Amino acid sequence: QQQVKQSPQSLIVQKGGISIINCAYENTAFDYFPWYQQFPGKGPALLIAIRPDVSEKKEGRFTISFNKSAKQFSLHIMDSQPGDSATYFCAAQRVTSGTYKYIFGTGTRLKVLA
Amino acid sequence: DSGVTQTPKHLITATGQRVTLRCSPRSGDLSVYWYQQSLDQGLQFLIHYYNGEERAKGNILERFSAQQFPDLHSELNLSSLELGDSALYFCASSVSGSTDTQYFGPGTRLTVL
Repeated sequence: QQQVKQSPQSLIVQKGGISIINCAYENTAFDYFPWYQQFPGKGPALLIAIRPDVSEKKEGRFTISFNKSAKQFSLHIMDSQPGDSATYFCAAQRVTSGTYKYIFGTGTRLKVLA
Repeated sequence: DSGVTQTPKHLITATGQRVTLRCSPRSGDLSVYWYQQSLDQGLQFLIHYYNGEERAKGNILERFSAQQFPDLHSELNLSSLELGDSALYFCASSVSGSTDTQYFGPGTRLTVL
């Protein structure tokens, strides 16, 4: 059962533009929300992550916006570059004690045009 | 290079067979995770081991099993293979298992014919 809905499935952005990828989750027990970047032929790599007690986290050109009440979070890539072209996965996880869960979105294929 | 190694890189086998995928975590990492990535199912969490003990189970089929050995390497055993088991299998490791960064290996591509 899909518990994390990710959109859009694919995204084309001009160089220098803003890329926005959205995710929505259902289970309020999740307590950790990472984003992964995956290049073809490689394993996913952690890009940025947020805990639900924070509404926004910024690391360089990457920002997570988190809306706990709406159970939604999004990744913003500012000044998108061709090197950002990859597949991005959001995830919702429960990593504190109890029932551990690791649920991934279906991925967004981003292409940044030069 | 994440520091996580997986062998083999590619594996081609027939339906009904059994295979073993191996993962060596980064030095010092106690947690190992296994994931399956396929085109139609996306990235699915299978199982998490911490210091030799199973900590979490995801969508792992009964035909699949895993273990983490005293030297912390892990093996994922897939038996009675079906065509639908064809996928990329990733191993990841982290220091403990909370919000530590998970470092993914390069994956093993399994093809079941």
